[in-house]
Amino acid sequence: EAAVTQSPRSKVAVTGGKVTLSCHQTNNHDYMYWYRQDTGHGLRLIHYSYVADSTEKGDIPDGYKASRPSQENFSLILELASLSQTAVYFCASSSGTGGSAETLYFGSGTRLTVL
Amino acid sequence: AQKVTQTQTSISVMEKTTVTMDCVYETQDSSYFLFWYKQTASGEIVFLIRQDSYKKENATVGHYSLNFQKPKSSIGLIITATQIEDSAVYFCAMREGSNNNAPRFGAGTKLTVKP
Repeated sequence: EAAVTQSPRSKVAVTGGKVTLSCHQTNNHDYMYWYRQDTGHGLRLIHYSYVADSTEKGDIPDGYKASRPSQENFSLILELASLSQTAVYFCASSSGTGGSAETLYFGSGTRLTVL
Repeated sequence: AQKVTQTQTSISVMEKTTVTMDCVYETQDSSYFLFWYKQTASGEIVFLIRQDSYKKENATVGHYSLNFQKPKSSIGLIITATQIEDSAVYFCAMREGSNNNAPRFGAGTKLTVKP
């Protein structure tokens, strides 16, 4: 079973502060993703990566940066946190494309509250 | 641009009955992958079932099956003999077949199974 670990599990941040959410996977997956969950919006794609040292913008990248320093690690960075970024953030990984490689494995989520 | 729409916000059914959850999608690609994921009350998100666009046969896994209607861009999830533990939020997702793309999700449907 694929393992995706997110840290921290929850965080309270101040408006204008910097926040870093971390994600670590131990299954040799090439693809990693950051999604945001808000009530009524489902899961919205922020950034993703299919190879180390490279990231791609998703549908709502504004206000977020991503970093993929290694195959195992993928971080989401909020340089200037805002109230509107209060949400639950999920990291996920998958091994590739086609067949069962398409399956996403999710972390447990990080609940971020910006005050 | 790819888009996934789930119009049913919530559904309530009696235990041991059959339920269908709707999902429609938009894509310009001729090749794509469709998924259903389940989010439990604890927040955990797990993969349920996948349909590849080039396959005519509907996918089935356990008591989950799909109703794939390609001309209508529709992929319904059918759960037969529902159980209390099927109560959860169900997300439909799609990944276009173009290389290095990422899955997009619908808003989710909350299913409540009553005893």
